[in-house]
Amino acid sequence: QLQLQESGPGLVKPSETLSLTCTVSGGSISSSSYYWGWIRQPPGKGLEWIGSIYYSGSTYYNPSLKSRVTISVDTSKNQFSLKLSSVTAADTAVYYCARHGVEIDYWGQGTLVTVSS
Amino acid sequence: EIVLTQSPGTLSLSPGERATLSCRASQSVSSSYLAWYQQKPGQAPRLLIYGASSRATGIPDRFSGSGSGTDFTLTISRLEPEDFAVYYCQQYGSSFLTFGGGTKVEIK
Repeated sequence: QLQLQESGPGLVKPSETLSLTCTVSGGSISSSSYYWGWIRQPPGKGLEWIGSIYYSGSTYYNPSLKSRVTISVDTSKNQFSLKLSSVTAADTAVYYCARHGVEIDYWGQGTLVTVSS
Repeated sequence: EIVLTQSPGTLSLSPGERATLSCRASQSVSSSYLAWYQQKPGQAPRLLIYGASSRATGIPDRFSGSGSGTDFTLTISRLEPEDFAVYYCQQYGSSFLTFGGGTKVEIK
């Protein structure tokens, strides 16, 4: 059974860079034709796709966040990562990592990241 | 960019009643690329329906999806207590994902 687990700081200061890692277990991140992505959900609000990395290494980002987002993969560790720069309070959210093709079939449990000084 | 609009925002129903949730796209969406999720408080979303009408593994048959083009529907035939949650539609296009704003199904 595939499992995804987010890790990283729960508190980030304004203007700094948010960094999260997703560790995948129960399957290889590079062995299948899937995307590995990040989705976030501000408290009490809906879901927003941040971006994804294809198993080949190609990246795709939400146009509204593209200038601040970098997603990378470390196949040796079976992990992929998110960096979101110049954060503000509006970036406070639960961040989920996920596997998807057309639809998202596996989700991490989510991690709350608060942007505050 | 395709925008998904879900309605109503909140649906107040009693257990045993039928729930009909709408997802409207700003442009035509391939039926193969439309999915529905259920999210309960404190949990990650769970895939319910993919390809507009196919139930995901383990999803009860009281959940059904339909629609094509720009109008899609999730129907819960008889609400069980565990079905009260928020539901999201999602579309895939050119390696991008878009979510609707969600419909909350609450107990009346």
